[in-house]
Amino acid sequence: AQSVTQPDIHITVSEGASLELRCNYSYGATPYLFWYVQSPGQGLQLLLKYFSGDTLVQGIKGFEAEFKRSQSSFNLRKPSVHWSDAAEYFCAVGSYNNNDMRFGAGTRLTVKP
Amino acid sequence: DAGITQSPRYKITETGRQVTLMCHQTWSHSYMFWYRQDLGHGLRLIYYSAAADITDKGEVPDGYVVSRSKTENFPLTLESATRSQTSVYFCASSVADTQYFGPGTRLTVL
Repeated sequence: AQSVTQPDIHITVSEGASLELRCNYSYGATPYLFWYVQSPGQGLQLLLKYFSGDTLVQGIKGFEAEFKRSQSSFNLRKPSVHWSDAAEYFCAVGSYNNNDMRFGAGTRLTVKP
Repeated sequence: DAGITQSPRYKITETGRQVTLMCHQTWSHSYMFWYRQDLGHGLRLIYYSAAADITDKGEVPDGYVVSRSKTENFPLTLESATRSQTSVYFCASSVADTQYFGPGTRLTVL
């Protein structure tokens, strides 16, 4: 069965520092991979997605993610974090129609001034 | 452009009562989904619907009932609420490969 692991429950970074959030997945077929962000009390917003092609994908708000099939990973990165990036981040894997989407448990990002 | 809305946003109920959470989307997306979000679990799929009158179970369907008589609406009913159903519930709709989420309903079962 498909699954997603986000090894880091909570990460704290200083404003302006770089960020990498880890995501490992298990999926039997070609995965559709997603990163979502959730601000407190809000729904989830799509940051970026990967289905095929270039393994480095660009998203909104300056985020990017790299798909590494050999490591079953889809890590999220940002070169310079802003205070407004403080939120919960979820990695997800699924199929084309999303009817079997699996989410990771989430990584909470705190940004220090 | 309202997108996807959920009501109520907050609900407190008692064990054994029936509760219905509403979801409405204005995009005419074919697929709609219900998830619950619990600490340490991320989001888990309860039910989904591929079109009007077509629904199917997700990962955690027990204790829930759904219907979809119109494309734009996808209500979720807890027929006899239990404390373990205290959670935040998110509705989503999708076209092709991307889901769009509603703002969520925080449900507390006492």
